[in-house]
Amino acid sequence: GESVGLHLPTLSVQEGDNSIINCAYSNSASDYFIWYKQESGKGPQFIIDIRSNMDKRQGQRVTVLLNKTVKHLSLQIAATQPGDSAVYFCAESNFLQGGSEKLVFGKGTKLTVNP
Amino acid sequence: KAGVTQTPRYLIKTRGQQVTLSCSPISGHRSVSWYQQTPGQGLQFLFEYFSETQRNKGNFPGRFSGRQFSNSRSEMNVSTLELGDSALYLCASKQGASSYNSPLHFGNGTRLTVT
Repeated sequence: GESVGLHLPTLSVQEGDNSIINCAYSNSASDYFIWYKQESGKGPQFIIDIRSNMDKRQGQRVTVLLNKTVKHLSLQIAATQPGDSAVYFCAESNFLQGGSEKLVFGKGTKLTVNP
Repeated sequence: KAGVTQTPRYLIKTRGQQVTLSCSPISGHRSVSWYQQTPGQGLQFLFEYFSETQRNKGNFPGRFSGRQFSNSRSEMNVSTLELGDSALYLCASKQGASSYNSPLHFGNGTRLTVT
Protein backbone atom coordinates (compact mmCIF):
# COMPACT_ATOMS: atom_id res chain seq x y z
CA GLY A 1 0.00 0.00 0.00
CA GLU A 2 0.93 3.63 -0.17
CA SER A 3 3.53 4.53 2.39
CA VAL A 4 2.96 8.06 3.52
CA GLY A 5 2.91 9.51 7.00
CA LEU A 6 0.00 8.28 8.98
CA HIS A 7 -2.60 11.00 9.27
CA LEU A 8 -3.39 10.55 12.93
CA PRO A 9 -6.83 11.48 14.10
CA THR A 10 -6.47 14.36 16.50
CA LEU A 11 -8.42 15.48 19.49
CA SER A 12 -7.93 18.83 21.11
CA VAL A 13 -9.52 19.53 24.51
CA GLN A 14 -9.35 22.14 27.22
CA GLU A 15 -7.71 21.31 30.51
CA GLY A 16 -10.31 19.97 32.91
CA ASP A 17 -12.65 18.68 30.20
CA ASN A 18 -13.33 14.98 29.68
CA SER A 19 -11.79 13.29 26.64
CA ILE A 20 -13.14 10.38 24.65
CA ILE A 21 -10.87 8.51 22.26
CA ASN A 22 -12.39 5.92 19.97
CA CYS A 23 -11.00 2.83 18.31
CA ALA A 24 -12.40 0.22 15.94
CA TYR A 25 -10.85 -3.23 16.02
CA SER A 26 -10.82 -5.80 13.27
CA ASN A 27 -10.88 -9.33 14.69
CA SER A 28 -14.14 -10.46 16.21
CA ALA A 29 -12.23 -13.34 17.85
CA SER A 30 -9.99 -10.97 19.84
CA ASP A 31 -10.72 -11.34 23.51
CA TYR A 32 -8.35 -8.93 25.17
CA PHE A 33 -7.80 -5.24 24.54
CA ILE A 34 -5.34 -2.70 25.83
CA TRP A 35 -4.92 1.05 25.69
CA TYR A 36 -1.44 2.52 25.50
CA LYS A 37 -0.22 6.10 25.78
CA GLN A 38 2.88 7.19 23.90
CA GLU A 39 4.58 10.46 24.73
CA SER A 40 7.11 12.02 22.40
CA GLY A 41 10.44 10.20 22.53
CA LYS A 42 9.11 7.36 24.65
CA GLY A 43 7.72 3.90 24.17
CA PRO A 44 4.03 3.06 24.61
CA GLN A 45 2.94 3.02 28.23
CA PHE A 46 0.19 0.70 29.48
CA ILE A 47 -2.92 2.55 30.65
CA ILE A 48 -5.75 0.08 31.07
CA ASP A 49 -6.98 -3.22 29.68
CA ILE A 50 -10.27 -5.06 29.32
CA ARG A 51 -11.30 -8.60 28.54
CA SER A 52 -14.09 -9.39 26.14
CA ASN A 53 -16.34 -10.70 28.93
CA MET A 54 -16.59 -7.14 30.25
CA ASP A 55 -18.25 -4.03 28.85
CA LYS A 56 -16.58 -1.48 31.05
CA ARG A 57 -13.55 -1.14 33.24
CA GLN A 58 -12.46 1.81 35.31
CA GLY A 59 -9.07 2.94 36.44
CA GLN A 60 -7.77 6.13 37.91
CA ARG A 61 -9.35 8.90 35.82
CA VAL A 62 -9.71 6.49 32.88
CA THR A 63 -12.54 4.25 31.76
CA VAL A 64 -12.54 1.80 28.87
CA LEU A 65 -15.77 0.77 27.18
CA LEU A 66 -16.05 -2.24 24.91
CA ASN A 67 -18.84 -2.81 22.41
CA LYS A 68 -18.29 -6.22 20.87
CA THR A 69 -21.34 -5.95 18.62
CA VAL A 70 -19.78 -3.19 16.57
CA LYS A 71 -16.15 -4.01 17.44
CA HIS A 72 -15.54 -0.68 19.09
CA LEU A 73 -13.45 0.46 22.03
CA SER A 74 -13.35 3.81 23.68
CA LEU A 75 -11.10 5.40 26.27
CA GLN A 76 -12.52 8.10 28.47
CA ILE A 77 -10.19 10.37 30.39
CA ALA A 78 -11.77 12.44 33.13
CA ALA A 79 -10.57 15.95 33.99
CA THR A 80 -7.92 15.91 31.26
CA GLN A 81 -4.59 17.44 32.22
CA PRO A 82 -1.72 18.82 30.09
CA GLY A 83 0.29 15.73 31.03
CA ASP A 84 -2.28 13.62 29.20
CA SER A 85 -1.14 15.08 25.88
CA ALA A 86 0.19 12.13 23.88
CA VAL A 87 -0.71 9.65 21.17
CA TYR A 88 -3.12 6.98 22.37
CA PHE A 89 -3.23 3.53 20.81
CA CYS A 90 -5.70 0.74 21.25
CA ALA A 91 -4.41 -2.79 20.76
CA GLU A 92 -6.17 -6.13 20.37
CA SER A 93 -4.54 -9.36 21.40
CA ASN A 94 -4.34 -12.09 18.77
CA PHE A 95 -3.08 -15.53 19.62
CA LEU A 96 -0.98 -17.16 16.95
CA GLN A 97 -0.02 -20.69 16.06
CA GLY A 98 2.32 -22.12 18.66
CA GLY A 99 0.73 -20.21 21.50
CA SER A 100 2.45 -16.96 20.79
CA GLU A 101 0.54 -13.75 21.13
CA LYS A 102 0.86 -10.53 19.23
CA LEU A 103 -0.76 -7.18 19.72
CA VAL A 104 -2.35 -5.55 16.71
CA PHE A 105 -2.27 -1.81 17.20
CA GLY A 106 -4.63 0.80 15.89
CA LYS A 107 -3.26 3.84 14.12
CA GLY A 108 -3.44 6.05 17.18
CA THR A 109 -5.10 9.31 18.16
CA LYS A 110 -3.13 12.40 19.07
CA LEU A 111 -4.57 14.14 22.11
CA THR A 112 -3.64 17.74 22.76
CA VAL A 113 -4.68 19.35 26.01
CA ASN A 114 -4.81 23.13 25.98
CA PRO A 115 -4.15 24.90 29.30
CA LYS B 1 11.76 -2.46 39.44
CA ALA B 2 13.68 -1.18 36.45
CA GLY B 3 11.72 -0.99 33.23
CA VAL B 4 12.58 -2.41 29.83
CA THR B 5 15.96 -1.07 28.76
CA GLN B 6 16.97 -0.72 25.14
CA THR B 7 20.39 0.19 23.82
CA PRO B 8 21.48 2.17 21.99
CA ARG B 9 18.85 4.93 21.94
CA TYR B 10 19.94 6.25 18.57
CA LEU B 11 21.81 4.66 15.71
CA ILE B 12 22.80 5.86 12.26
CA LYS B 13 23.83 3.29 9.70
CA THR B 14 24.50 3.18 5.98
CA ARG B 15 22.61 1.08 3.45
CA GLY B 16 24.01 -2.41 3.22
CA GLN B 17 25.38 -2.48 6.76
CA GLN B 18 23.99 -4.60 9.54
CA VAL B 19 22.88 -3.60 13.01
CA THR B 20 22.27 -5.27 16.36
CA LEU B 21 19.86 -3.82 18.90
CA SER B 22 19.76 -4.89 22.51
CA CYS B 23 16.94 -5.24 25.01
CA SER B 24 16.92 -6.05 28.72
CA PRO B 25 13.43 -7.00 29.90
CA ILE B 26 11.93 -6.29 33.28
CA SER B 27 13.37 -8.63 35.88
CA GLY B 28 11.36 -11.85 35.99
CA HIS B 29 9.81 -11.36 32.57
CA ARG B 30 10.41 -14.30 30.26
CA SER B 31 8.70 -13.08 27.11
CA VAL B 32 10.29 -10.46 24.89
CA SER B 33 8.63 -9.06 21.78
CA TRP B 34 9.94 -6.67 19.18
CA TYR B 35 7.90 -4.12 17.25
CA GLN B 36 8.77 -1.71 14.47
CA GLN B 37 7.16 1.73 14.50
CA THR B 38 7.13 3.94 11.43
CA PRO B 39 4.96 6.92 10.44
CA GLY B 40 3.68 5.01 7.42
CA GLN B 41 2.85 1.63 8.94
CA GLY B 42 2.42 2.38 12.62
CA LEU B 43 3.35 -0.32 15.13
CA GLN B 44 4.03 -3.71 13.58
CA PHE B 45 4.92 -6.99 15.27
CA LEU B 46 8.33 -8.38 14.42
CA PHE B 47 8.73 -11.45 16.64
CA GLU B 48 8.37 -12.84 20.13
CA TYR B 49 10.79 -14.88 22.20
CA PHE B 50 9.88 -16.93 25.23
CA SER B 51 12.45 -18.94 27.20
CA GLU B 52 15.03 -18.54 24.43
CA THR B 53 12.70 -19.80 21.69
CA GLN B 54 11.21 -17.74 18.91
CA ARG B 55 7.51 -18.41 19.20
CA ASN B 56 6.38 -16.50 16.17
CA LYS B 57 7.41 -13.95 13.61
CA GLY B 58 5.59 -11.15 11.87
CA ASN B 59 5.55 -10.39 8.18
CA PHE B 60 9.12 -9.17 7.79
CA PRO B 61 11.90 -10.42 5.51
CA GLY B 62 14.56 -12.83 6.68
CA ARG B 63 16.98 -9.92 7.09
CA PHE B 64 15.29 -9.36 10.43
CA SER B 65 16.31 -11.87 13.06
CA GLY B 66 16.63 -12.10 16.78
CA ARG B 67 17.57 -14.22 19.71
CA GLN B 68 17.02 -14.47 23.42
CA PHE B 69 19.57 -15.45 26.01
CA SER B 70 19.14 -17.56 29.13
CA ASN B 71 18.84 -14.40 31.25
CA SER B 72 15.91 -13.30 29.02
CA ARG B 73 17.88 -10.47 27.44
CA SER B 74 17.22 -10.23 23.73
CA GLU B 75 18.90 -8.89 20.63
CA MET B 76 17.55 -8.24 17.21
CA ASN B 77 19.65 -8.03 14.09
CA VAL B 78 18.93 -6.44 10.76
CA SER B 79 21.28 -7.30 7.93
CA THR B 80 21.79 -5.56 4.59
CA LEU B 81 20.05 -2.43 5.78
CA GLU B 82 17.68 -0.59 3.47
CA LEU B 83 16.46 2.99 3.68
CA GLY B 84 13.00 1.69 4.55
CA ASP B 85 14.35 0.07 7.70
CA SER B 86 14.60 3.50 9.30
CA ALA B 87 12.23 3.29 12.23
CA LEU B 88 11.79 3.20 15.97
CA TYR B 89 12.38 -0.37 17.16
CA LEU B 90 10.55 -1.16 20.34
CA CYS B 91 11.16 -4.03 22.69
CA ALA B 92 8.48 -5.15 25.12
CA SER B 93 8.41 -7.74 27.84
CA LYS B 94 5.79 -9.57 29.85
CA GLN B 95 5.93 -12.11 32.59
CA GLY B 96 4.18 -15.09 31.05
CA ALA B 97 2.95 -16.36 27.74
CA SER B 98 -0.24 -14.33 27.77
CA SER B 99 -0.89 -10.67 28.29
CA TYR B 100 -3.76 -11.47 30.65
CA ASN B 101 -2.91 -9.86 33.97
CA SER B 102 0.58 -9.18 32.64
CA PRO B 103 0.40 -6.70 29.81
CA LEU B 104 3.31 -5.86 27.59
CA HIS B 105 5.65 -3.22 28.97
CA PHE B 106 7.63 -1.32 26.37
CA GLY B 107 11.06 0.22 26.41
CA ASN B 108 11.71 3.65 24.93
CA GLY B 109 13.04 2.16 21.73
CA THR B 110 16.06 2.45 19.50
CA ARG B 111 15.75 5.06 16.77
CA LEU B 112 17.50 3.64 13.70
CA THR B 113 18.27 5.90 10.77
CA VAL B 114 19.59 4.37 7.56
CA THR B 115 21.29 6.73 5.14
